[in-house]
Amino acid sequence: GAGVSQSPSNKVTEKGKDVELRCDPISGHTALYWYRQRLGQGLEFLIYFQGNSAPDKSGLPSDRFSAERTGESVSTLTIQRTQQEDSAVYLCASSPSAGRYTGELFFGEGSRLTVL
Amino acid sequence: AQSVTQLDSQVPVFEEAPVELRCNYSSSVSVYLFWYVQYPNQGLQLLLKYLSGSTLVKGINGFEAEFNKSQTSFHLRKPSVHISDTAEYFCAVSGANFNKFYFGSGTKLNVKP
Repeated sequence: GAGVSQSPSNKVTEKGKDVELRCDPISGHTALYWYRQRLGQGLEFLIYFQGNSAPDKSGLPSDRFSAERTGESVSTLTIQRTQQEDSAVYLCASSPSAGRYTGELFFGEGSRLTVL
Repeated sequence: AQSVTQLDSQVPVFEEAPVELRCNYSSSVSVYLFWYVQYPNQGLQLLLKYLSGSTLVKGINGFEAEFNKSQTSFHLRKPSVHISDTAEYFCAVSGANFNKFYFGSGTKLNVKP
């Protein structure tokens, strides 16, 4: 498809396990964002990738969280030793390069994580 | 740091009535402003945006918003809503380099027949 793809769409895990969430951005989009949406709350910024520049990790809530991106393609968000407060929908978004930027983020449908 | 406040978590309204969803932001620098909509079981999509120019911005599906710098507001309006407008609406703000977007907590618009 042409949109942002996220997998898995749903993940149930036990406390203490590691999880990996995947995001396939729109082809050609150099910017990629991860957000977290807890139930009843707004979107919380986690991390931002722009091309080959160093990522902005200022939103990662703890060292249990990490994210990688290979070039301008797939990104993975890893949560180690999951806790119940990690339960949320994790949203990925991409956007075109700054030179063609219109300020629009293209979101995936999210990965719903439930930690038991 | 920037922040976005959406005071109304839920707004019930009858079909064909007007609606205003409120958004206030806090920032000491120039910002860009956005409204995103999330329909049931779908991802967020852009409704409208203010980057520069006219402070009255028109978006998709008949929505519009007005940027008011003195009141640091960017309220969303529609003169006559439809059942299909039932969704959650998020206000967002970004700085000049678009590396972070700050989102409000969302307003659920429930349009009743």
